[in-house]
Amino acid sequence: DIVLTQAPLSVSVTPGESASISCRSSKSLLSSKGITSLYWYLQRPGKSPQLLIYQMSNLASGVPDRFSSSGSETDFTLKISKVETEDVGVYYCGHRLEYPPTFGSGTKLEIK
Amino acid sequence: QVQLKESGPGLVQPSETLSLTCTVSGFSLTSNSVHWVRQPPGKGLEWMGIIRSGGSTDYNSALKSRLSISRDTSKSQVFLKMNSLQTEDTAIYYCTRWGYGGNDYWGQGVMVTVSS
Repeated sequence: DIVLTQAPLSVSVTPGESASISCRSSKSLLSSKGITSLYWYLQRPGKSPQLLIYQMSNLASGVPDRFSSSGSETDFTLKISKVETEDVGVYYCGHRLEYPPTFGSGTKLEIK
Repeated sequence: QVQLKESGPGLVQPSETLSLTCTVSGFSLTSNSVHWVRQPPGKGLEWMGIIRSGGSTDYNSALKSRLSISRDTSKSQVFLKMNSLQTEDTAIYYCTRWGYGGNDYWGQGVMVTVSS
């Protein structure tokens, strides 16, 4: 199974500042179709996960453009610009390259 | 609009079988796949399995011997059955549709506690 390693475990951010979360894959997530199968999710406290980013760099519908993602075939970064209080929760990376899809262990974002 | 809603018993005895239902609306099961994902309390996400639009299934190899996913397209329902439950199966169970172009939807989840 593909292992996704996230860092840091938690991040504390002042509103208005930026935050970055890293995700490293044990295998290239570049598919034969040229799509990088890396996804980012936010799980707000007590809620279901919601998709933020699909195929490494595409913003899901309704997600503010304060969120962005980039990377290579194995190393990825989620950046949140101008953090707001509503951004609090746990961020997960995940892949859908092959079965089973797997997820990183999560990064908790807190507000200072 | 697209919705998924999980239902099932909140408490299951150890060694017994878990049966969950995911009732969907706003889309057809014959055109979309549905996944099950679970999350133990305070822990991360684990993909369990999928039932595809054509009815075929794939399971997480760690659960494959205990897990079965089926559906009733006429009722827009997907079923999860997992036997030989243990305390480590205590989790929130989600059904989710992973659509094309990031068109994802998740159910609210159902908490299942395995305890005597």
